Amino acid sequence: AQSVTQLDSQVPVFEEAPVELRCNYSSSVSVYLFWYVQYPNQGLQLLLKYLSGSTLVESINGFEAEFNKSQTSFHLRKPSVHISDTAEYFCAVLEGGAGNMLTFGGGTRLMVKP
Amino acid sequence: KAGVTQTPRYLIKTRGQQVTLSCSPISGHRSVSWYQQTPGQGLQFLFEYFSETQRNKGNFPGRFSGRQFSNSRSEMNVSTLELGDSALYLCASSLAGVAGNEQFFGPGTRLTVL
Repeated sequence: AQSVTQLDSQVPVFEEAPVELRCNYSSSVSVYLFWYVQYPNQGLQLLLKYLSGSTLVESINGFEAEFNKSQTSFHLRKPSVHISDTAEYFCAVLEGGAGNMLTFGGGTRLMVKP
Repeated sequence: KAGVTQTPRYLIKTRGQQVTLSCSPISGHRSVSWYQQTPGQGLQFLFEYFSETQRNKGNFPGRFSGRQFSNSRSEMNVSTLELGDSALYLCASSLAGVAGNEQFFGPGTRLTVL
């Protein structure tokens, strides 16, 4: 069975600084990878996804993530964060052939300070 | 297009009672998945329904059940509630249940068991 590890439960960072949220997964089959963001009292919103092709994927609001198969990682990065990026971020894995059964990491709370 | 809606948004029950939560997917979406979110266990997959059939099931006791109607709306039921069932229950819908299709999440139903 697959598992997802988000190495940092909280990441404090100053506004306009770069940030990296780490995600590692384990799976014996091919996977699809996702990053979701959750703002307080809301559901999850898809930030970006890797299905196939280019290992570097980008979101419309400046985040990017790189799929590294050899290191089984899918770290999320942003070169300059804003106060509005304060939220909880979840990495998720979907195994091929598993329908829509996502396995989530424990989440990383990104706290952007002025 | 309206998003995924979940009713009710908040619910308070006592131990031993049962509860039914409802999810209306985005129009045209045929796959509905349910997740439980708690501070201790994080986000865990409950089950997925596609075209009125349960396609996947997570590792939850039989007290947790669900169903999907012909219009793709879904309900989940929890019987004999326990304190540990207090959680945010999230519903997600996707277009055709094909792996990689984006799952759109609703705002969740927050269940408190006293």
